[in-house]
Amino acid sequence: AQSVAQPEDQVNVAEGNPLTVKCTYSVSGNPYLFWYVQYPNRGLQFLLKYITGDNLVKGSYGFEAEFNKSQTSFHLKKPSALVSDSALYFCAVRPRDYGNNRLAFGKGNQVVVIP
Amino acid sequence: GAGVSQSPSNKVTEKGKDVELRCDPISGHTALYWYRQSLGQGLEFLIYFQGNSAPDKSGLPSDRFSAERTGGSVSTLTIQRTQQEDSAVYLCASSPSPYEQYFGPGTRLTVT
Repeated sequence: AQSVAQPEDQVNVAEGNPLTVKCTYSVSGNPYLFWYVQYPNRGLQFLLKYITGDNLVKGSYGFEAEFNKSQTSFHLKKPSALVSDSALYFCAVRPRDYGNNRLAFGKGNQVVVIP
Repeated sequence: GAGVSQSPSNKVTEKGKDVELRCDPISGHTALYWYRQSLGQGLEFLIYFQGNSAPDKSGLPSDRFSAERTGGSVSTLTIQRTQQEDSAVYLCASSPSPYEQYFGPGTRLTVT
């Protein structure tokens, strides 16, 4: 069974400072990895994904994430946080098995960017 | 283009009543998913439709929950004899590929 851990409930960061949201996973084989963001009263928006290739993937709104196979991590990063980045961030994983397309989500991290 | 739409956006119902939640996926997307988001619980997979294949119902929490997808497009999630623990935001997503899923705004269900 696959599982995703987002160890921090809330991440507070000052505007302009680097932002990191942590994610580790447990799944058999090499997974597909995703980050989604949810703004208040909105659905989830896709940010970025790792499928194969370069371990550093770049996504929307200046976000990037690094796949680390040995640490089974996929931390989300942004070099300089904006107040508008305040939202709920979800890490998700799915195995590469054909037909198993369900995503397993972490519980989410609330990011608060302080002006 | 149009994204995934869900209706109603909010639904308040009395315990014991049946409810139907609707999802209109992005045109051409062959896969459709239902998830439930409870406060502080993250997202819980409910059911998955892929083309004409039999749906993956393994995430449905009880036999009070069912879903169908007509004509490979619109989907309806039905909850019979609602309970207070069914209160949550129900999210629908569609996908053209095995990769990213595109989510609708959700239906907030409140069972009183």
